[in-house]
Amino acid sequence: GNSVTQMEGPVTLSEEAFLTINCTYTATGYPSLFWYVQYPGEGLQLLLKATKADDKGSNKGFEATYRKETTSFHLEKGSVQVSDSAVYFCALRGNQFYFGTGTSLTVIP
Amino acid sequence: NAGVTQTPKFRILKIGQSMTLQCTQDMNHNYMYWYRQDPGMGLKLIYYSVGAGITDKGEVPNGYNVSRSTTEDFPLRLELAAPSQTSVYFCASSYLTGPGELFFGEGSRLTVL
Repeated sequence: GNSVTQMEGPVTLSEEAFLTINCTYTATGYPSLFWYVQYPGEGLQLLLKATKADDKGSNKGFEATYRKETTSFHLEKGSVQVSDSAVYFCALRGNQFYFGTGTSLTVIP
Repeated sequence: NAGVTQTPKFRILKIGQSMTLQCTQDMNHNYMYWYRQDPGMGLKLIYYSVGAGITDKGEVPNGYNVSRSTTEDFPLRLELAAPSQTSVYFCASSYLTGPGELFFGEGSRLTVL
């Protein structure tokens, strides 16, 4: 079946630090992969996506590469800001959407 | 650009009361979904619909009902509210084809006392 396993948080980083949030998946076929972000008190927003193997999704300085050989879609950012504090969800679309449990990120000045 | 609109944003219910969470989208999406998010947890799918007149259960459908009479609207009904239904509810929609990312509403925070 389909599932997403996401690095547990919470994660606390200093401003300008490097961020990695790990995400691995199990799926039949070739699903699309997504990272969503949820700011406090808001709904989920699409951060980036990749639709096939070796695709790199990027947005707002965040990147993730669809790695079929390792079934991974890790989220990275070279220099985080306080405004990046949020909960990040990895997801895949197979016959339905499957979400990870979310990783809370807090960036301190 | 309205996108996905949910109402109400906040509601407090007493045990045993019923209510309907409204959801409407203006993107002509085929697929619509209801999720619940409990504190510190991920999303759990309650019900989904692949088009008008077609609905199906998700992971946690007990205590809820849905209908899809039009492409735009997908209301979620809570019958006989229980404290376990205290949660934040998100409606979402997506296209049938393509990469098909989900578009979310802002959420409805429900408390059952």
